[in-house]
Amino acid sequence: GENVEQHPSTLSVQEGDSAVIKCTYSDSASNYFPWYKQELGKRPQLIIDIRSNVGEKKDQRIAVTLNKTAKHFSLHITETQPEDSAVYFCASFRGVSGYSTLTFGKGTMLLVSP
Amino acid sequence: EAGVAQSPRYKIIEKRQSVAFWCNPISGHATLYWYQQILGQGPKLLIQFQNNGVVDDSQLPKDRFSAERLKGVDSTLKIQPAKLEDSAVYLCASTTSYLTGQETQYFGPGTRLLVL
Repeated sequence: GENVEQHPSTLSVQEGDSAVIKCTYSDSASNYFPWYKQELGKRPQLIIDIRSNVGEKKDQRIAVTLNKTAKHFSLHITETQPEDSAVYFCASFRGVSGYSTLTFGKGTMLLVSP
Repeated sequence: EAGVAQSPRYKIIEKRQSVAFWCNPISGHATLYWYQQILGQGPKLLIQFQNNGVVDDSQLPKDRFSAERLKGVDSTLKIQPAKLEDSAVYLCASTTSYLTGQETQYFGPGTRLLVL
C-alpha cells in the first residue's frame, strides 16, 4: 500500500520566518495531495491541496509544490505568525475508479515564536 | 453549511467494555470515512462507506470493531470489547462522492476515547 513520509517531525521558527515541510510518497498512481492543519484538540482542516497535473499552487502565505518524478511534495509558509502554530499533515490520495484511499503522514508540529 | 457532527466528544471506559460513536456527515455527502488517530500520528483509515455500502474495511480490526451506515446518512462505529491500545481520537470525515477520484474530505471534531 501507499506510504507517506513527512519531515521534519518538529519545526521551530521565529515569527516572520519561512517554514517548509516535506513529504514523499510511494504510490506513483497517487493523484491528489492535500495538506491539513490541526490545532490542539481540534479537527484537521484543509489548508491547501494540489492535483497531479499541477506543479505549484499558492494561496496567500502558503504554497505547495509537487514533483511527480521524484514523488515528493512540500508545504511552504511565508511570513509565519504565532497563529500558524499547529500540527500539519500531508496526505496522498489514490483515486481510481471504484476505489480511493487517503494516506496521511505522521505530522509536523510547527511552533512559531513571537 | 453545517459541518460533520460527531458525538460524544469524549469517552472514558475501562478495558473490555463496549463503546459506540456516532457521526452525521455533511448533507448530501455520499462517502463517509472513519479514521483512528493515535496521539502523535496521522489519521489512519478504518472504514469507508459509499451511501450504505462498505467500500473499504481492510484496516478495520473486525474482531472488535464494527461500523454501519444503514440508511446511507449517519453512521455508528462500535468497539467491543475495548483494549488499552484503542485509546485514540476517532475522526469521521465525509466527501461528496469518492467516485470522482479527487475529493476533499471534511472532518468532524472527533471523539476522544480513553481506555483505562
